[in-house]
Amino acid sequence: GEDVEQSLFLSVREGDSSVINCTYTDSSSTYLYWYKQEPGAGLQLLTYIFSNMDMKQDQRLTVLLNKKDKHLSLRIADTQTGDSAIYFCADDPGANNLFFGTGTRLTVIP
Amino acid sequence: ETGVTQSPTHLIKTRGQQVTLRCSSQSGHNTVSWYQQALGQGPQFIFQYYREEENGRGNFPPRFSGLQFPNYSSELNVNALELDDSALYLCASSFKGPQETQYFGPGTRLLVL
Repeated sequence: GEDVEQSLFLSVREGDSSVINCTYTDSSSTYLYWYKQEPGAGLQLLTYIFSNMDMKQDQRLTVLLNKKDKHLSLRIADTQTGDSAIYFCADDPGANNLFFGTGTRLTVIP
Repeated sequence: ETGVTQSPTHLIKTRGQQVTLRCSSQSGHNTVSWYQQALGQGPQFIFQYYREEENGRGNFPPRFSGLQFPNYSSELNVNALELDDSALYLCASSFKGPQETQYFGPGTRLLVL
């Protein structure tokens, strides 16, 4: 079955850039998503990228996709304390459901 | 705010009991998916409902069942609760099409004692 992997923790200083990485295994993936989860809350959609794109920029967020290596990254520019949360990448292989990684806990140090 | 609502927000049950969780989809959406998120894990797909029928199911036993109503809202029912069913249950709504971005509700936190 599909496997989506992320590193568990990332700490950055306020104002620096954060880069969260994700790898997936399903080569038929059509869309890949990034969601943010704050403590005790549901998932907030941040952005997504279609599999035929290699980059997408949305304000402070930049998504890079290397389809050959099945590697996805999310860069957050000028990271703020409000960005502290768990970030999930999710893969849509076109089977009506999303496969999520275990999440990366981002801690922003003031 | 996504417009997806879930009730109740928290629930405590005992092993062997049954539970019903509810989800109202975002306006304009016709598809509801349910996910289980255990503590410290990513969400896992339970099933999806479209046109009031199950439209895909993850690796969950038959005691997990659901319904979708004509107004596209949905229920998740779990029978014979087990301790391992303690989790955050998330529903997501979307519009069925070539690209279905799923928007999540706040979740229902279920504790089974």
